[in-house]
Amino acid sequence: QVQLVQSGAEVKKPGASVKVSCKTSGYIFTSYPITWVRQAPGQGPEWMGWIRPYTGNTNYAQKFQGRVTMTTDTSTDTAYMELRSLTSDDTAVYFCARSGSGSCLGCRVEADYWGQGTRVTVSS
Amino acid sequence: DNVLTQSPDSLAVSLGERATINCKSSQSVLYSANNKNYLAWYQQKPGQPPKLLFYWASTRESGVPDRFSGSGSGTDFTLTISSLQADDVGVYYCHQYDSFPYTFGQGTKLEIK
Repeated sequence: QVQLVQSGAEVKKPGASVKVSCKTSGYIFTSYPITWVRQAPGQGPEWMGWIRPYTGNTNYAQKFQGRVTMTTDTSTDTAYMELRSLTSDDTAVYFCARSGSGSCLGCRVEADYWGQGTRVTVSS
Repeated sequence: DNVLTQSPDSLAVSLGERATINCKSSQSVLYSANNKNYLAWYQQKPGQPPKLLFYWASTRESGVPDRFSGSGSGTDFTLTISSLQADDVGVYYCHQYDSFPYTFGQGTKLEIK
């Protein structure tokens, strides 16, 4: 069965960086993009971007451009999301999710399987 | 950015009654080349990731009970629960994946009256 298992909770100081991992299993890792979404306390989800593991191509939300890097390791079927220059506004639960390839007109695009979430707290 | 506005923000419905949640998109999410609406609905419960209910606005994900239905096209969409069950409590989000950055609605909290 498809599974995405994320790394554990993190506490960081303002100005630091955080790197969250997302270990996948149960499907062909290189066939599906990995999407990253975050959710601040009491807020709705916020799309951060995605990466295509086969090519390494990324698409980041403008809001995070220059501060986020998404990568994958195809030898371990794991995706990573690094966010730098953290502020208290980055306190949130970060999710990875498998997305459809969208590579054809009828191909699915939306995120179907999700990781359990990683809580990142930024506090001095 | 394509802004999704849901209504209402919260909703209390009696068990067995109908629940209706609306989502309005600031831009059309209908792709004319394949006549598909690039909109999904998710359900989220506390401490859990979102769970996919519908894609293409009205295609039910495998395992989702048929009391749930999705409808709409272009900029106006609706999620309907025909007969509310206790397990349906949670927050519901619409999500567009038509244009970057993909966006989510602000959420509708569904409770039992």
